[in-house]
Amino acid sequence: AQSVTQLGSHVSVSEGALVLLRCNYSSSVPPYLFWYVQYPNQGLQLLLKYTTGATLVKGINGFEAEFKKSETSFHLTKPSAHMSDAAEYFCAVSPNFGNEKLTFGTGTRLTIIP
Amino acid sequence: EPEVTQTPSHQVTQMGQEVILRCVPISNHLYFYWYRQILGQKVEFLVSFYNNEISEKSEIFDDQFSVERPDGSNFTLKIRSTKLEDSAMYFCASSGPRTGTFEAFFGQGTRLTVV
Repeated sequence: AQSVTQLGSHVSVSEGALVLLRCNYSSSVPPYLFWYVQYPNQGLQLLLKYTTGATLVKGINGFEAEFKKSETSFHLTKPSAHMSDAAEYFCAVSPNFGNEKLTFGTGTRLTIIP
Repeated sequence: EPEVTQTPSHQVTQMGQEVILRCVPISNHLYFYWYRQILGQKVEFLVSFYNNEISEKSEIFDDQFSVERPDGSNFTLKIRSTKLEDSAMYFCASSGPRTGTFEAFFGQGTRLTVV
């Protein structure tokens, strides 16, 4: 069984400030981990993923995340927030078999303060 | 860039009516999924489909739901008799061959409103 916990349903940061969105997972098998972004009235777009190899993964739009097995975490960061980053962010986990269902967290709504 | 396409973008239906939500997955993908997102809640898995059969389904996916790949390109979700609580955004997703990147590509969603 797998689950994802996203701490903070709403996060507000000032433009130019560090973005940190937290994700912790529980998995009975080695996981694949994903971050998806959902802009208003749009679908889910993959930001980045961890499958194997390097634990620090870089994604689109300047985002990155680090897989920390000892902490069962996969936090999403961006050094400098832009107004265009305002969206809902979902962390998701799947078993490491490939092409398995995703289990999503409850999402974090990111607001950027001008 | 290839994408998953869903139609319609928004559907309003009366309670008790049947609805069919349509999806065109990415052409070389072999695995297909439906998820739903009730307003303000998280995205939930409904069903996965591979090799022309359901590979896994959630407890949400009861006898009112069915999926089909009628013609090798479309992938449909049918809700036989809609209830108010079926109102949600429904997302179709597909993922590729086993040696691929294992990431699921999502469509833009169909917002279903049951009145």
